[in-house]
Amino acid sequence: SAVISQKPSRDICQRGTSLTIQCQVDSQVTMMFWYRQQPGQSLTLIATANQGSEATYESGFVIDKFPISRPNLTFSTLTVSNMSPEDSSIYLCSVDAGTGNTFGSGTRLTVV
Amino acid sequence: LAKTTQPISMDSYEGQEVNITCSHNNIATNDYITWYQQFPSQGPRFIIQGYKTKVTNEVASLFIPADRKSSTLSLPRVSLSDTAVYYCLVGDGGSQGNLIFGKGTKLSVKP
Repeated sequence: SAVISQKPSRDICQRGTSLTIQCQVDSQVTMMFWYRQQPGQSLTLIATANQGSEATYESGFVIDKFPISRPNLTFSTLTVSNMSPEDSSIYLCSVDAGTGNTFGSGTRLTVV
Repeated sequence: LAKTTQPISMDSYEGQEVNITCSHNNIATNDYITWYQQFPSQGPRFIIQGYKTKVTNEVASLFIPADRKSSTLSLPRVSLSDTAVYYCLVGDGGSQGNLIFGKGTKLSVKP
């Protein structure tokens, strides 16, 4: 199955700033997925990132707040923009591994 | 996508068999049932997937009755390291990447 490297693993950021999270996969994949997991909660899909087209966002998530890049078939970034304490969460990228998804280890973001 | 319902938490002891049941009354004909495991500070990990009857791998077994409105994940002889949150997901196996997670079952294994 695919191996995902996600960076940074954690960060503490000031409100009003932005953080870009990187996701690198060791094989080419058509779609990459970004999730958010708030403290003590389950995972929520933010968006689906396709190479060569704009990302598709789920209800409640917008491109201005969570811009996504997908420059090639092995890499994607998610930016959390103009952060507030409510954005403190774990952000995870994921790919379809054929049978089930593979997830990165996540980025634990704390906004102060 | 079909909604799933599973117990919020379960307790067990080392060496016991643990069965976690998930209800999915509105499962569609082309939906598969998939279970994930998540340890603290890690992303979810795929455990097992099935469509009907029984599926077994080196980690767990998945039992699905004929009506497919529920499924049971069976973990044989659990150890402390099986303490985790277990998620049951139902969706189209052909385009399963955009997963919809429910609340999951927090399994606590005690010595």
